[in-house]
Amino acid sequence: AQSVAQPEDQVNVAEGNPLTVKCTYSVSGNPYLFWYVQYPNRGLQFLLKYITGDNLVKGSYGFEAEFNKSQTSFHLKKPSALVSDSALYFCAVRDIPPHDYKLSFGAGTTVTVRA
Amino acid sequence: DVKVTQSSRYLVKRTGEKVFLECVQDMDHENMFWYRQDPGLGLRLIYFSYDVKMKEKGDIPEGYSVSREKKERFSLILESASTNQTSMYLCASRSGGKMNTEAFFGQGTRLTVV
Repeated sequence: AQSVAQPEDQVNVAEGNPLTVKCTYSVSGNPYLFWYVQYPNRGLQFLLKYITGDNLVKGSYGFEAEFNKSQTSFHLKKPSALVSDSALYFCAVRDIPPHDYKLSFGAGTTVTVRA
Repeated sequence: DVKVTQSSRYLVKRTGEKVFLECVQDMDHENMFWYRQDPGLGLRLIYFSYDVKMKEKGDIPEGYSVSREKKERFSLILESASTNQTSMYLCASRSGGKMNTEAFFGQGTRLTVV
């Protein structure tokens, strides 16, 4: 089965500094990868996805992610973090047919951006 | 914008009660999902529905059932609530047919079973 791992439970950065949230994947075939963000007591919001094409994917709120096939990684990045980026971030991968309706999620990374 | 609405933000139920969690989406999506979110475990799929009256078990279906009588509505049922079902429950929907479509989530229902 397809899976993703988020190796860091927590990431702490100062406002204005670059933010990176790590995700590695294990898949058979071509991966369909997603990033979601969850603000406190809210549902998940879609940030961006990699399907095919350019390895650098741009998404919502100034976030981008770099797909790296050789390192099997899909790290989320933001050049200059804001306090309002403090949230829980999930990486996810779509499963392969016939279970391609499934999204498998990582355990999540809590990001804290200090002023 | 897609809207996925869960009927309750917070619920407190007693052990043994039958509990209904309701979810409605307004974008005519074929696929609907119920996930459970627990700290350190991410999201785990309970049940999935790919069309009206159609359902499939996810990774952790035990103790749960679902109902989809109309395309826009997907209900999660806890037949006899137990304390280990205390959790955050998230409903999601997506357009079917293509692997590249993202899922849209509701705001979540935090269920406490006492």
